[in-house]
Amino acid sequence: AQTVTQSQPEMSVQEAETVTLSCTYDTSESNYYLFWYKQPPSRQMILVIRQEAYKQQNATENRFSVNFQKAAKSFSLKISDSQLGDTAMYFCAFILNTGNQFYFGTGTSLTVIP
Amino acid sequence: GAVVSQHPSWVICKSGTSVKIECRSLDFQATTMFWYRQFPKQSLMLMATSNEGSKATYEQGVEKDKFLINHASLTLSTLTVTSAHPEDSSFYICSAEDREGLGKLFFGSGTQLSVL
Repeated sequence: AQTVTQSQPEMSVQEAETVTLSCTYDTSESNYYLFWYKQPPSRQMILVIRQEAYKQQNATENRFSVNFQKAAKSFSLKISDSQLGDTAMYFCAFILNTGNQFYFGTGTSLTVIP
Repeated sequence: GAVVSQHPSWVICKSGTSVKIECRSLDFQATTMFWYRQFPKQSLMLMATSNEGSKATYEQGVEKDKFLINHASLTLSTLTVTSAHPEDSSFYICSAEDREGLGKLFFGSGTQLSVL
């Protein structure tokens, strides 16, 4: 069975500071993609960052970067220079290369404090 | 990135009526679309996988006669909530996978359904 665990239901960070959101997952497969999605108050789901499991190099998108530890099945998201617009629910997710179903975590609600 | 349009964004209906929600991939072909339900402050719950030209695959516990899904073309999937009741009130989100983008999932803006 495939599972995704986000152990931090809520987090807060001061504007301009750095915050890390945790995610662990479980699968017996070796080929998959990992994602972080953001859902702001508008409730539109937005892709933040994507990582191919076969790549050792951590993905980076501007202020967003991940720490991918395949052996530990860990996929944390680091947000640098936090901005008020980063306030949102963040969901960790993955999909197997062999399938088309996305598995989502329960989400972490992030609040950026001015 | 790819765009998925979902309509309507908000609907109120009387108990017993049916509501149709449309999900369109605007700039790519989506052989597979997904329908999710989301309760306040919770994660997305997959309801069904919509496959173009074939019957949808429903998750366990989802009533296929209550939630009718049609995926008649490569760019359009519809979810019809039949004989809606107050307990069907929820936020419904569709998504489509862009295979060209290797597993990226793009979401519609969601539909808030309120059944009176």
